[in-house]
Amino acid sequence: EAGVAQSPRYKIIEKRQSVAFWCNPISGHATLYWYQQILGQGPKLLIQFQNNGVVDDSQLPKDRFSAERLKGVDSTLKIQPAKLEDSAVYLCASRSGGRRQETQYFGPGTRLLVL
Amino acid sequence: AQSVAQPEDQVNVAEGNPLTVKCTYSVSGNPYLFWYVQYPNRGLQFLLKYITGDNLVKGSYGFEAEFNKSQTSFHLKKPSALVSDSALYFCAVRDSSGYSTLTFGKGTMLLVSP
Repeated sequence: EAGVAQSPRYKIIEKRQSVAFWCNPISGHATLYWYQQILGQGPKLLIQFQNNGVVDDSQLPKDRFSAERLKGVDSTLKIQPAKLEDSAVYLCASRSGGRRQETQYFGPGTRLLVL
Repeated sequence: AQSVAQPEDQVNVAEGNPLTVKCTYSVSGNPYLFWYVQYPNRGLQFLLKYITGDNLVKGSYGFEAEFNKSQTSFHLKKPSALVSDSALYFCAVRDSSGYSTLTFGKGTMLLVSP
């Protein structure tokens, strides 16, 4: 079974530029998550999708961050414009929809450096 | 609000010795508890989880964890550490309601010396 795919793996941009990250979850997984992991901290949830609908985006800085999952499969996360404090690893995770399928599976992450 | 505490930034242990990485949690209702491991430049890898049932949970690579409801703890353990176990370990919790999200601790770096 293929895991969660993310691209790019690394990105360096200047502040005020825009950037986009892509995630392809495990096949058949209905729930998709985007997390931000700042160095020295645990992952923090940005947004959760159930199929193509948003379940929780309460911690997403909506003035600069946006995310979509148009066909209920892959997803993109965008930052526009980027700030220095956005430097972090952006992790995508997915989970199957079953009631007892509680485990989230993570992709390798995209490491973003904002200069 | 739910939370996780990992009181140790780093745990040092010699190869072959038992290891413990501590985790305590706070959540309303019944907890779902998880341990993940992160190797350098890699995503989080699932180790084990407690959802219900036996308080002692066995997971990947010889790791286990014990759910203690009275102490609200879920410590990760391994009887004999390997150098290859050196990595960053995260504890996470969510409540048992439908769309509750995971809350992670800040992580504990485990260093196993030869």
